[in-house]
Amino acid sequence: KAGVTQTPRYLIKTRGQQVTLSCSPISGHRSVSWYQQTPGQGLQFLFEYFSETQRNKGNFPGRFSGRQFSNSRSEMNVSTLELGDSALYLCASSLAGTSPSNEQFFGPGTRLTVL
Amino acid sequence: GENVEQHPSTLSVQEGDSAVIKCTYSDSASNYFPWYKQELGKRPQLIIDIRSNVGEKKDQRIAVTLNKTAKHFSLHITETQPEDSAVYFCAARTSGNTPLVFGKGTRLSVIA
Repeated sequence: KAGVTQTPRYLIKTRGQQVTLSCSPISGHRSVSWYQQTPGQGLQFLFEYFSETQRNKGNFPGRFSGRQFSNSRSEMNVSTLELGDSALYLCASSLAGTSPSNEQFFGPGTRLTVL
Repeated sequence: GENVEQHPSTLSVQEGDSAVIKCTYSDSASNYFPWYKQELGKRPQLIIDIRSNVGEKKDQRIAVTLNKTAKHFSLHITETQPEDSAVYFCAARTSGNTPLVFGKGTRLSVIA
């Protein structure tokens, strides 16, 4: 079974621009979560999508948004980029369900650099 | 909401020694505690997890212990090897409908 994939793997943007990142989950997984990883801050939760609906949201400004399509693929968008948005953006997919032990499988990440 | 604190942020050990990483959580309703390992340039991968109805779980050289009363859990790696060098993240969640909350990570270096 193919793992979680993310595109693009690397991006360089300038301040004020916007960017869209894509995540394709493992086949059969209906939940997709997004995280921002920066040195010293660990994995900070952005949002989670399940069945095309945002189910949970972290403490990030409204410039960060996302969506999920009917095939469970997800995109996240960052508008009006700031230097502090430079980070590795990881998505993770998991089976749907209420069990807390549904394992999250991570993608390789998209490295975003804002100049 | 849930808050997870992880210590230490960096840890260096000699090959063959043991390593211990500790995490505390704030939400007493949390009942699932996974540990992820992230090697340099790679994605985080689950290495072991524990549910709140279990006090300890082992998998070869890796073990996790949980103290629900004190709201802390720990990762123990015995007989460390150079390939154990990585960043380790602990996490906690209350249900499948709530997000995993991660600690800030521990960078483990195993010195040969």
